[in-house]
Amino acid sequence: GAGVSQSPSNKVTEKGKDVELRCDPISGHTALYWYRQSLGQGLEFLIYFQGNSAPDKSGLPSDRFSAERTGGSVSTLTIQRTQQEDSAVYLCASSLRQDSYEQYFGPGTRLTVT
Amino acid sequence: KQEVTQIPAALSVPEGENLVLNCSFTDSAIYNLQWFRQDPGKGLTSLLLIQSSQREQTSGRLNASLDKSSGRSTLYIAASQPGDSATYLCAVTSNDMRFGAGTRLTVKP
Repeated sequence: GAGVSQSPSNKVTEKGKDVELRCDPISGHTALYWYRQSLGQGLEFLIYFQGNSAPDKSGLPSDRFSAERTGGSVSTLTIQRTQQEDSAVYLCASSLRQDSYEQYFGPGTRLTVT
Repeated sequence: KQEVTQIPAALSVPEGENLVLNCSFTDSAIYNLQWFRQDPGKGLTSLLLIQSSQREQTSGRLNASLDKSSGRSTLYIAASQPGDSATYLCAVTSNDMRFGAGTRLTVKP
């Protein structure tokens, strides 16, 4: 079946502009996660959604970052007033539920802030 | 705060060799541990998921073990092939999901 999809695959933006990254999880998966991978660094957890519960935003690096998940499916990660240090690959994953279920990752969005 | 460490950072082996990748974590109160591979320019591919109540999982030439009490997991790859060349990531789920920095594996033909 269809896996996790993300769009766009690549995004180049100017410093100070806002960007939106989209994630379509696997149908039926109630948990959705956002991560980022900066050049030369490991994966960094940003936020996760579980069903209709309030999202865990503990990993968001600043208040310029926000995410929402409409209708329990598609999620959008928004970065306002982008900075060069925001350049990274942003990965989305979904799982049947939180915790004990395997996470399936999308191909990622490569964001470059010039 | 959970910290995940992977050793070695890089490994190069000749084709056909068996090898072990190591992952350690500081907080044993975990839900599960997952091993991924990441190919250059691509997303993550899940290899094995070990629940906190399990000791090991096997898939083909891969075997992953988990020792929660000592905070360790190993990924064993048997009869390595050039196609196994990738970065292998270990991720631990407790309050959130924490990744190690990965081991870059090169299998030489």
